[in-house]
Amino acid sequence: QAQLQQWGAGLLKPSGTLSLTCAVDDGSFSVYYCSWIRRPPGKGLEWIGEINHSGSANYNTSLKSRVTISVDKSKNQFSLNLRSVTAADTAVYYCTITTGRFLRMDVWGKGTTVTVSS
Amino acid sequence: QSVLTQPPSASGTPGQRVSISCSGSSSSIGTNYVFWYQHFPGTAPKLLIYRNDQRPSGVPDRFSGSKSGTSASLAISGLRSEDEGDYFCAAWDDTLSGWVFGGGTKLTVL
Repeated sequence: QAQLQQWGAGLLKPSGTLSLTCAVDDGSFSVYYCSWIRRPPGKGLEWIGEINHSGSANYNTSLKSRVTISVDKSKNQFSLNLRSVTAADTAVYYCTITTGRFLRMDVWGKGTTVTVSS
Repeated sequence: QSVLTQPPSASGTPGQRVSISCSGSSSSIGTNYVFWYQHFPGTAPKLLIYRNDQRPSGVPDRFSGSKSGTSASLAISGLRSEDEGDYFCAAWDDTLSGWVFGGGTKLTVL
């Protein structure tokens, strides 16, 4: 099974930009969707957005004005940028991919804890 | 407030069968497939059920899913202590044009 490695800054100041990258360690897998999910402290999972194999992206309407998800196929990597962060964006962020036509978010990264604090 | 509604908690003793419900709407569960995820905080979430009632390879048949109308359920039979954790349902919502999750159910094995 494919594995995901994710990285990025864990501490941000308000108004800054959150940037995370996720690498798929096995390029032999077909990837239908690359997605980002977050889990704020004490809360449930929240879908941030996704990008498909054609490069078309969908975003959570509540975050759409601040989010960009992009993919670099040559590196088997995809990234998340979230601008103008506030304390409400503090969460564990997960990257996840869909590797089968009927599956959804079946392979996950281990998560990156992001804290927004002045 | 989550678009999909789950009970905040559920519990059972080892060997028992427990069920977790997930309620949505005509634009989410009523029209689209339901997926279930298991999450132990500090680890990566795991896909348990896809397309309402299908198990990915490696998921024990103790886990089963069902859907009826705008609601879905996850059942866990032969409950084990290692099942203790958080469970989330998810579905695509046509109105929001995005994925929505339930608020999560914390399962305790007594």
